[in-house]
Amino acid sequence: QITLKESGPTVVKPTQTLTLTCTFSGFSLSTSGVGVGWIRQPPGKALEWLAFFYWDDDKRSSPSLKTRLTVTRDTSKNQVVLTLTDMDPVDTATYYCAHRSEYSDSSGFFDYWGQGILVTVSS
Amino acid sequence: QSVLTQPPSASGTPGQRVTISCSGSNSNIGSNTVNWYQQLPGTAPKLLIYSNNQRPSGVPDRVSGSKSGTSASLAISGLQSEDEADYYCAAWDDSLNGFYVFGTGTKVTVL
Repeated sequence: QITLKESGPTVVKPTQTLTLTCTFSGFSLSTSGVGVGWIRQPPGKALEWLAFFYWDDDKRSSPSLKTRLTVTRDTSKNQVVLTLTDMDPVDTATYYCAHRSEYSDSSGFFDYWGQGILVTVSS
Repeated sequence: QSVLTQPPSASGTPGQRVTISCSGSNSNIGSNTVNWYQQLPGTAPKLLIYSNNQRPSGVPDRVSGSKSGTSASLAISGLQSEDEADYYCAAWDDSLNGFYVFGTGTKVTVL
């Protein structure tokens, strides 16, 4: 059974750095084709893709956030960590991590999602 | 901002068929497969359709997806009250070193 759960601060101040951890179970990030993605959703708005961490250590991130965003993994703990620097109130959103299926084709798809964590940026 | 455009809303009465469009370009839908996600109020998104027209286990066959050129569509027939949700298309975009993109989202209301 695949599960994912996001953890981290729920409130950060403007200009601070956000660090979120996705702890997963039920799959291996070493399996070919597998990935973990980060997606966020501002209140009342659409989903926005942030980043992928792939089984082969390849990483991709949103062009609009590339300079602020880092994604890494801790293999021993089955965790993928998202870091977003210089936080602003517009970054207030629910942040999700999700499992990218190993059966993905050209686009890739998320078949399991975490419950999400609401992060508010406020002084 | 999203490069996949969806109508903001769609509606139908129980039993009717609703169709949602997703318009993209050659670098995303025109080159890659399309996925659809359903998001019920207050919950995480759920995969509804992958690889243009494939249903994950548990998704009823009254839900279907299609793709033609740079556009895709999601159809829900036999509309039910539990179908009231937000729906998002998504695809990989090959431009700018590649990125995943979600559509603008469509709110489906069951009248």
